[in-house]
Amino acid sequence: KQEVTQIPAALSVPEGENLVLNCSFTDSAIYNLQWFRQDPGKGLTSLLLIQSSQREQTSGRLNASLDKSSGRSTLYIAASQPGDSATYLCAVSVSGGSNYKLTFGKGTLLTVNP
Amino acid sequence: ETGVTQSPTHLIKTRGQQVTLRCSSQSGHNTVSWYQQALGQGPQFIFQYYREEENGRGNFPPRFSGLQFPNYSSELNVNALELDDSALYLCASSHLGGVEQYFGPGTRLTVT
Repeated sequence: KQEVTQIPAALSVPEGENLVLNCSFTDSAIYNLQWFRQDPGKGLTSLLLIQSSQREQTSGRLNASLDKSSGRSTLYIAASQPGDSATYLCAVSVSGGSNYKLTFGKGTLLTVNP
Repeated sequence: ETGVTQSPTHLIKTRGQQVTLRCSSQSGHNTVSWYQQALGQGPQFIFQYYREEENGRGNFPPRFSGLQFPNYSSELNVNALELDDSALYLCASSHLGGVEQYFGPGTRLTVT
């Protein structure tokens, strides 16, 4: 059974700091890995998707890496801003024929202080 | 291109009642997945629908059921509501076998 763990559970940093969020998964047979952002009580916004054949993806100040063999991914946020405050969720999809369900971690609650 | 929409936004029900949640998929997407997110937890996969049939199910009891319509919209039905059913219910649409799922804003269900 695939399990996804995110560390730390919560993180508080001053504005401008670079930071790294960690995600680990137990079964390396994944199809892809996605990082999502969730604001309080809201739905999920996809930030980055890394396919199993890729090592990293970048979008603006965000960079996500994937190491399938070790079952790890990191999300790097450069020059953090108060608007980055949210919960960040990592999810892996497992190829099961046509069924690409996502298995999520519990998330990291990020607070960026002005 | 219209995104994924869900209704209602919020809902309050009493234990033992039944509830129906609705989801309209993103234009062109033929697959809908439902997730339950309890407070402080990550979303958990309930089931997926494709061509109006269930196409995979997570670890949820049969009182969680769904429908998909010819226009690819979907309903999630929960019977005999329990207090633990209180959660944010998220719908996601995609192409069958597609790389990415697109999420709606969710329905917040409170069971009292």
